[in-house]
Amino acid sequence: KQEVTQIPAALSVPEGENLVLNCSFTDSAIYNLQWFRQDPGKGLTSLLLIQSSQREQTSGRLNASLDKSSGRSTLYIAASQPGDSATYLCAVRSRTSGSRLTFGEGTQLTVNP
Amino acid sequence: DGGITQSPKYLFRKEGQNVTLSCEQNLNHDAMYWYRQDPGQGLRLIYYSQIVNDFQKGDIAEGYSVSREKKESFPLTVTSAQKNPTAFYLCASTPGTDYYNEQFFGPGTRLTVL
Repeated sequence: KQEVTQIPAALSVPEGENLVLNCSFTDSAIYNLQWFRQDPGKGLTSLLLIQSSQREQTSGRLNASLDKSSGRSTLYIAASQPGDSATYLCAVRSRTSGSRLTFGEGTQLTVNP
Repeated sequence: DGGITQSPKYLFRKEGQNVTLSCEQNLNHDAMYWYRQDPGQGLRLIYYSQIVNDFQKGDIAEGYSVSREKKESFPLTVTSAQKNPTAFYLCASTPGTDYYNEQFFGPGTRLTVL
């Protein structure tokens, strides 16, 4: 059974800092991994989708990497801003779970002005 | 604008009542999903549907029911059999039914049992 872990559960940084969020998964036989952002009381916004054949994806100040063999993904946020404050979730679609996504519990990020 | 809409945004239920949460998408997506989110826990899959008139149970289907009569609509009914229904409910969809598609989410419905 696929399990997804995100560490740390919460992170507080000063504005302008570069930061890395971590996601690990137990079953490396994945189709893809998706990073989401969730603001309080809101739905999830898709940030980046990395297919199993890819090593990284970039969108603006965000860069996500994937190391399937070690069961890890990182989300790098450059030059963080207070507007980046949110909970970041990763989710994997693995061969053992078909079309289902398995979610981590998220990292709550606070960027202080 | 294309997207996923969920209604209502807030819903209050008395014990013993059934309530139905609406999810509509105009993205022409084939697959639709219902998740439940509780504080401190990851999202858990309730039901999903890959085609009209067909759906499958997720990990926590007990006490819930769904229908998929139209491609764009996937309503979720929370029945009185669900013992702890207070949660945030999220609907999602993907363009196709293969395993490589990005999943998109609606804004959510917060259900509270009085």
